[in-house]
Amino acid sequence: QKEVEQNSGPLSVPEGAIASLNCTYSDRGSQSFFWYRQYSGKSPELIMFIYSNGDKEDGRFTAQLNKASQYVSLLIRDSQPSDSATYLCAVINNYGQNFVFGPGTRLSVLP
Amino acid sequence: DTGVSQDPRHKITKRGQNVTFRCDPISEHNRLYWYRQTLGQGPEFLTYFQNEAQLEKSRLLSDRFSAERPKGSFSTLEIQRTEQGDSAMYLCASSTTGPRGYEQYFGPGTRLTVT
Repeated sequence: QKEVEQNSGPLSVPEGAIASLNCTYSDRGSQSFFWYRQYSGKSPELIMFIYSNGDKEDGRFTAQLNKASQYVSLLIRDSQPSDSATYLCAVINNYGQNFVFGPGTRLSVLP
Repeated sequence: DTGVSQDPRHKITKRGQNVTFRCDPISEHNRLYWYRQTLGQGPEFLTYFQNEAQLEKSRLLSDRFSAERPKGSFSTLEIQRTEQGDSAMYLCASSTTGPRGYEQYFGPGTRLTVT
């Protein structure tokens, strides 16, 4: 089992819809969870982080964390074509400082 | 200083040659990380520095790879005797310590092509 798993996509949603991206992780001791956005040919850009169970909202983005079920999700409301990118889930393992990234989910927002 | 910078942005080299990449972190960020990313995959951790000390190395980092951060500022990543499998994007990231120490900010990357 890979440490961090994501559906590779592509996930296609119409403009204005809610995009839901999911991530599961295997290390139950993981404490910190991050979502990065990566446009094609560019480096990852931090968009959200969450440390506690529940929801965290920032503008059109909401991160949700459920440590008991070992999943973290990202909701993008009012999706725009400019949101089309690969979304990477990253987890800090309990014993280290480095991120473990998932493979990413490619999101396509259709105008 | 507006972000992490990396040099060069692109490098094409022949198999067997040595290459060196440079990363300049965000000012006052004392943690620096190197990752490697291949097409369709998320970044894979290579190594991590806090100031000048190299605190963690991935088992992915073979003997051909070495990284330094001699004065706790910029860092270099050297790959000796390059192989075609080394072709990838090499990403550098930096962060502070303290409550926001887990927030890593990435540079633009160095794309390596080994022919």
